[in-house]
Amino acid sequence: SAVISQKPSRDICQRGTSLTIQCQVDSQVTMMFWYRQQPGQSLTLIATANQGSEATYESGFVIDKFPISRPNLTFSTLTVSNMSPEDSSIYLCSAGQGGTNTEAFFGQGTRLTVV
Amino acid sequence: AQSVTQPDIHITVSEGASLELRCNYSYGATPYLFWYVQSPGQGLQLLLKYFSGDTLVQGIKGFEAEFKRSQSSFNLRKPSVHWSDAAEYFCAVRFTGNQFYFGTGTSLTVIP
Repeated sequence: SAVISQKPSRDICQRGTSLTIQCQVDSQVTMMFWYRQQPGQSLTLIATANQGSEATYESGFVIDKFPISRPNLTFSTLTVSNMSPEDSSIYLCSAGQGGTNTEAFFGQGTRLTVV
Repeated sequence: AQSVTQPDIHITVSEGASLELRCNYSYGATPYLFWYVQSPGQGLQLLLKYFSGDTLVQGIKGFEAEFKRSQSSFNLRKPSVHWSDAAEYFCAVRFTGNQFYFGTGTSLTVIP
Protein backbone atom coordinates (compact mmCIF):
# COMPACT_ATOMS: atom_id res chain seq x y z
CA SER A 1 0.00 0.00 0.00
CA ALA A 2 0.95 3.65 -0.22
CA VAL A 3 0.27 6.53 2.11
CA ILE A 4 -0.43 9.80 0.35
CA SER A 5 -0.19 13.20 1.96
CA GLN A 6 -1.68 16.29 0.41
CA LYS A 7 -1.06 19.90 1.32
CA PRO A 8 -2.92 22.10 1.97
CA SER A 9 -5.95 20.21 3.24
CA ARG A 10 -8.12 23.22 2.53
CA ASP A 11 -7.81 26.80 1.37
CA ILE A 12 -9.91 29.83 0.57
CA CYS A 13 -8.54 31.83 -2.33
CA GLN A 14 -9.36 35.03 -4.15
CA ARG A 15 -10.48 34.81 -7.75
CA GLY A 16 -7.71 35.43 -10.23
CA THR A 17 -5.02 33.93 -8.02
CA SER A 18 -3.33 30.52 -8.26
CA LEU A 19 -2.93 27.71 -5.76
CA THR A 20 -0.40 24.89 -5.86
CA ILE A 21 -1.34 21.61 -4.22
CA GLN A 22 1.37 19.20 -3.19
CA CYS A 23 1.14 15.42 -3.14
CA GLN A 24 3.74 13.29 -1.38
CA VAL A 25 3.75 9.49 -1.47
CA ASP A 26 5.62 7.47 1.13
CA SER A 27 7.04 5.09 -1.48
CA GLN A 28 8.00 5.16 -5.12
CA VAL A 29 5.01 4.71 -7.40
CA THR A 30 4.70 4.33 -11.12
CA MET A 31 1.50 6.27 -11.60
CA MET A 32 0.17 9.46 -10.10
CA PHE A 33 -3.13 11.07 -10.97
CA TRP A 34 -5.07 14.20 -10.14
CA TYR A 35 -8.85 14.19 -9.77
CA ARG A 36 -11.45 16.85 -9.20
CA GLN A 37 -14.55 16.21 -7.15
CA GLN A 38 -17.09 18.99 -7.45
CA PRO A 39 -19.66 19.38 -4.66
CA GLY A 40 -21.94 16.38 -4.51
CA GLN A 41 -20.34 14.83 -7.56
CA SER A 42 -18.13 11.89 -8.40
CA LEU A 43 -14.47 12.03 -9.27
CA THR A 44 -13.30 13.34 -12.61
CA LEU A 45 -9.79 12.64 -13.78
CA ILE A 46 -7.89 15.81 -14.59
CA ALA A 47 -4.60 14.33 -15.72
CA THR A 48 -1.98 11.67 -15.29
CA ALA A 49 1.25 13.06 -13.87
CA ASN A 50 4.19 11.60 -15.75
CA GLN A 51 7.60 11.52 -14.17
CA GLY A 52 10.08 13.44 -16.25
CA SER A 53 7.65 14.46 -18.95
CA GLU A 54 4.53 16.52 -19.52
CA ALA A 55 1.31 15.40 -17.90
CA THR A 56 -1.41 13.72 -19.93
CA TYR A 57 -4.62 15.72 -19.70
CA GLU A 58 -8.16 14.48 -20.06
CA SER A 59 -10.68 16.11 -22.32
CA GLY A 60 -11.79 19.43 -20.92
CA PHE A 61 -8.63 20.08 -18.93
CA VAL A 62 -5.65 22.04 -20.23
CA ILE A 63 -2.12 22.60 -19.08
CA ASP A 64 -2.44 26.36 -18.89
CA LYS A 65 -5.22 26.07 -16.33
CA PHE A 66 -3.90 23.04 -14.42
CA PRO A 67 -0.12 22.83 -14.75
CA ILE A 68 1.27 19.69 -13.18
CA SER A 69 4.76 18.76 -12.17
CA ARG A 70 6.22 15.41 -11.23
CA PRO A 71 9.93 15.72 -10.58
CA ASN A 72 10.35 12.21 -9.13
CA LEU A 73 8.53 8.99 -8.31
CA THR A 74 7.13 10.16 -4.97
CA PHE A 75 6.03 13.76 -5.50
CA SER A 76 3.70 15.77 -7.69
CA THR A 77 2.07 19.18 -7.69
CA LEU A 78 -1.11 20.50 -9.26
CA THR A 79 -1.60 24.23 -9.74
CA VAL A 80 -5.04 25.68 -10.22
CA SER A 81 -4.40 28.88 -12.16
CA ASN A 82 -6.37 32.09 -12.51
CA MET A 83 -9.07 30.72 -10.25
CA SER A 84 -12.76 31.43 -10.49
CA PRO A 85 -15.60 30.34 -8.19
CA GLU A 86 -16.27 27.45 -10.59
CA ASP A 87 -12.94 25.96 -9.54
CA SER A 88 -14.25 25.43 -6.02
CA SER A 89 -13.89 21.68 -5.57
CA ILE A 90 -12.04 18.96 -3.78
CA TYR A 91 -8.84 18.05 -5.56
CA LEU A 92 -7.55 14.54 -4.94
CA CYS A 93 -4.16 13.04 -5.63
CA SER A 94 -4.03 9.34 -6.41
CA ALA A 95 -1.12 6.97 -6.84
CA GLY A 96 -0.46 3.38 -7.71
CA GLN A 97 1.95 1.00 -9.32
CA GLY A 98 0.13 0.90 -12.61
CA GLY A 99 -1.24 -2.11 -14.40
CA THR A 100 -4.88 -3.01 -14.61
CA ASN A 101 -4.73 -5.46 -11.70
CA THR A 102 -3.61 -2.96 -9.11
CA GLU A 103 -5.56 -0.58 -6.94
CA ALA A 104 -5.14 3.15 -6.57
CA PHE A 105 -4.55 4.93 -3.29
CA PHE A 106 -5.85 8.38 -2.51
CA GLY A 107 -4.83 11.36 -0.49
CA GLN A 108 -7.31 13.04 1.83
CA GLY A 109 -7.95 15.75 -0.71
CA THR A 110 -7.65 19.52 -0.82
CA ARG A 111 -10.87 21.41 -0.36
CA LEU A 112 -10.62 24.61 -2.38
CA THR A 113 -13.05 27.50 -2.10
CA VAL A 114 -12.68 30.43 -4.48
CA VAL A 115 -14.33 33.67 -3.48
CA ALA B 1 -18.93 2.84 -24.63
CA GLN B 2 -17.31 1.98 -21.34
CA SER B 3 -19.21 3.17 -18.30
CA VAL B 4 -19.98 2.46 -14.69
CA THR B 5 -23.33 3.17 -13.07
CA GLN B 6 -24.52 3.40 -9.49
CA PRO B 7 -28.30 3.56 -9.77
CA ASP B 8 -28.92 4.63 -6.18
CA ILE B 9 -27.97 8.18 -5.33
CA HIS B 10 -28.93 7.90 -1.70
CA ILE B 11 -29.85 5.00 0.59
CA THR B 12 -31.09 5.08 4.18
CA VAL B 13 -30.93 2.00 6.38
CA SER B 14 -31.46 1.30 10.04
CA GLU B 15 -28.50 0.36 12.17
CA GLY B 16 -28.21 -3.42 12.25
CA ALA B 17 -30.04 -3.88 8.99
CA SER B 18 -28.45 -5.40 5.91
CA LEU B 19 -27.14 -3.28 3.07
CA GLU B 20 -26.70 -3.70 -0.65
CA LEU B 21 -25.27 -1.01 -2.92
CA ARG B 22 -25.57 -1.57 -6.64
CA CYS B 23 -22.95 -1.11 -9.32
CA ASN B 24 -23.23 -1.95 -13.00
CA TYR B 25 -20.71 -1.55 -15.78
CA SER B 26 -20.73 -1.57 -19.52
CA TYR B 27 -17.78 -3.24 -21.21
CA GLY B 28 -17.12 -6.05 -23.63
CA ALA B 29 -14.85 -7.97 -21.29
CA THR B 30 -14.39 -8.37 -17.57
CA PRO B 31 -12.95 -5.22 -16.07
CA TYR B 32 -11.15 -4.80 -12.79
CA LEU B 33 -13.62 -3.74 -10.11
CA PHE B 34 -13.26 -1.76 -6.91
CA TRP B 35 -15.34 -0.27 -4.14
CA TYR B 36 -14.13 2.80 -2.28
CA VAL B 37 -15.62 4.62 0.70
CA GLN B 38 -15.31 8.33 1.39
CA SER B 39 -16.14 9.66 4.81
CA PRO B 40 -16.93 13.37 5.14
CA GLY B 41 -13.84 15.48 4.61
CA GLN B 42 -11.69 12.47 3.84
CA GLY B 43 -10.08 10.89 0.82
CA LEU B 44 -11.10 7.55 -0.62
CA GLN B 45 -10.38 4.30 1.16
CA LEU B 46 -10.34 1.00 -0.70
CA LEU B 47 -12.92 -1.46 0.66
CA LEU B 48 -12.31 -4.34 -1.71
CA LYS B 49 -11.37 -5.28 -5.25
CA TYR B 50 -12.02 -7.99 -7.81
CA PHE B 51 -9.52 -9.00 -10.43
CA SER B 52 -10.29 -12.66 -11.12
CA GLY B 53 -11.12 -15.96 -9.43
CA ASP B 54 -13.76 -16.35 -6.76
CA THR B 55 -16.62 -14.01 -7.60
CA LEU B 56 -17.39 -13.27 -3.96
CA VAL B 57 -14.72 -11.06 -2.46
CA GLN B 58 -14.28 -10.02 1.13
CA GLY B 59 -13.15 -6.59 2.12
CA ILE B 60 -12.46 -4.51 5.17
CA LYS B 61 -15.02 -3.42 7.75
CA GLY B 62 -17.19 -6.48 7.14
CA PHE B 63 -18.04 -5.62 3.53
CA GLU B 64 -18.23 -8.09 0.68
CA ALA B 65 -19.06 -7.82 -3.00
CA GLU B 66 -20.15 -10.28 -5.62
CA PHE B 67 -19.19 -10.11 -9.26
CA LYS B 68 -21.91 -11.34 -11.59
CA ARG B 69 -20.73 -11.50 -15.16
CA SER B 70 -24.19 -12.23 -16.57
CA GLN B 71 -25.55 -9.06 -15.02
CA SER B 72 -22.41 -6.93 -15.43
CA SER B 73 -22.72 -6.11 -11.76
CA PHE B 74 -20.50 -5.81 -8.72
CA ASN B 75 -22.82 -5.11 -5.79
CA LEU B 76 -21.50 -4.27 -2.36
CA ARG B 77 -23.10 -5.88 0.69
CA LYS B 78 -22.89 -5.83 4.44
CA PRO B 79 -25.04 -8.06 6.66
CA SER B 80 -25.35 -5.60 9.55
CA VAL B 81 -24.73 -1.89 9.16
CA HIS B 82 -23.11 0.20 11.87
CA TRP B 83 -23.65 3.92 12.37
CA SER B 84 -20.00 4.50 11.41
CA ASP B 85 -20.71 3.13 7.93
CA ALA B 86 -22.49 6.35 7.00
CA ALA B 87 -20.44 7.72 4.12
CA GLU B 88 -20.27 8.04 0.35
CA TYR B 89 -19.55 4.83 -1.54
CA PHE B 90 -17.99 4.76 -4.98
CA CYS B 91 -17.78 1.89 -7.38
CA ALA B 92 -14.76 2.14 -9.67
CA VAL B 93 -13.77 0.22 -12.73
CA ARG B 94 -10.56 -0.15 -14.63
CA PHE B 95 -11.06 -1.39 -18.16
CA THR B 96 -7.68 -1.18 -19.87
CA GLY B 97 -4.70 0.94 -19.10
CA ASN B 98 -4.35 2.73 -15.82
CA GLN B 99 -7.36 5.00 -15.73
CA PHE B 100 -10.13 4.48 -13.19
CA TYR B 101 -13.73 5.28 -13.98
CA PHE B 102 -15.88 6.14 -10.99
CA GLY B 103 -19.59 5.83 -10.57
CA THR B 104 -21.53 8.81 -9.35
CA GLY B 105 -21.55 7.49 -5.81
CA THR B 106 -24.17 6.35 -3.31
CA SER B 107 -24.65 8.30 -0.13
CA LEU B 108 -25.49 6.07 2.82
CA THR B 109 -27.39 7.34 5.84
CA VAL B 110 -27.70 5.09 8.89
CA ILE B 111 -30.53 5.78 11.30
CA PRO B 112 -30.57 4.53 14.90
